[in-house]
Amino acid sequence: AQTVTQSQPEMSVQEAETVTLSCTYDTSESDYYLFWYKQPPSRQMILVIRQEAYKQQNATENRFSVNFQKAAKSFSLKISDSQLGDAAMYFCAYTGRDDKIIFGKGTRLHILP
Amino acid sequence: KAGVTQTPRYLIKTRGQQVTLSCSPISGHRSVSWYQQTPGQGLQFLFEYFSETQRNKGNFPGRFSGRQFSNSRSEMNVSTLELGDSALYLCASSLVLTKGETQYFGPGTRLLVL
Repeated sequence: AQTVTQSQPEMSVQEAETVTLSCTYDTSESDYYLFWYKQPPSRQMILVIRQEAYKQQNATENRFSVNFQKAAKSFSLKISDSQLGDAAMYFCAYTGRDDKIIFGKGTRLHILP
Repeated sequence: KAGVTQTPRYLIKTRGQQVTLSCSPISGHRSVSWYQQTPGQGLQFLFEYFSETQRNKGNFPGRFSGRQFSNSRSEMNVSTLELGDSALYLCASSLVLTKGETQYFGPGTRLLVL
């Protein structure tokens, strides 16, 4: 069965600095998608970035980028120029052949002013 | 466009009761998924509906059920509530049923079982 592991339950970063959140996954499939979702306190979860497994180029969305290492089954999220509004719970997620989305346990990110 | 809405936002029930939660997807979205979020288990997939048919189901007991109506609105029902059912229940909608399609989440219904 597929699994998604986020080894950092909590992280802190100084405002304007760069932070990297880690995610590893386990799968025997070759065609899948990976996601990072953000859940701000008491607010709705939103998609931050999506990566298709067959695309070698790392996805980028403004200050958010990923480091996708398919062979290592690693999918880390880099947030550049951290802002107070980036404080949230971040979930790494996987979807494969059966279309079920599997989430990691999440990383709570604190932004220090 | 209005986002995904869920009602009620908060609910308190006692063990043994049943509960029905409602989800209205973004206009035009035909796929609705449900998730349970707890501090211990994290986010777990419950089920997914598309065109009034359940297309996928997670590993939850039969006490958890759902349905989707012709207007894409969805309900989930939990019968014979247990203390462990206390959770945030999230609904998400997407335009179509395609792997990798962006899901848009609602604010959730927080259920407390006493």
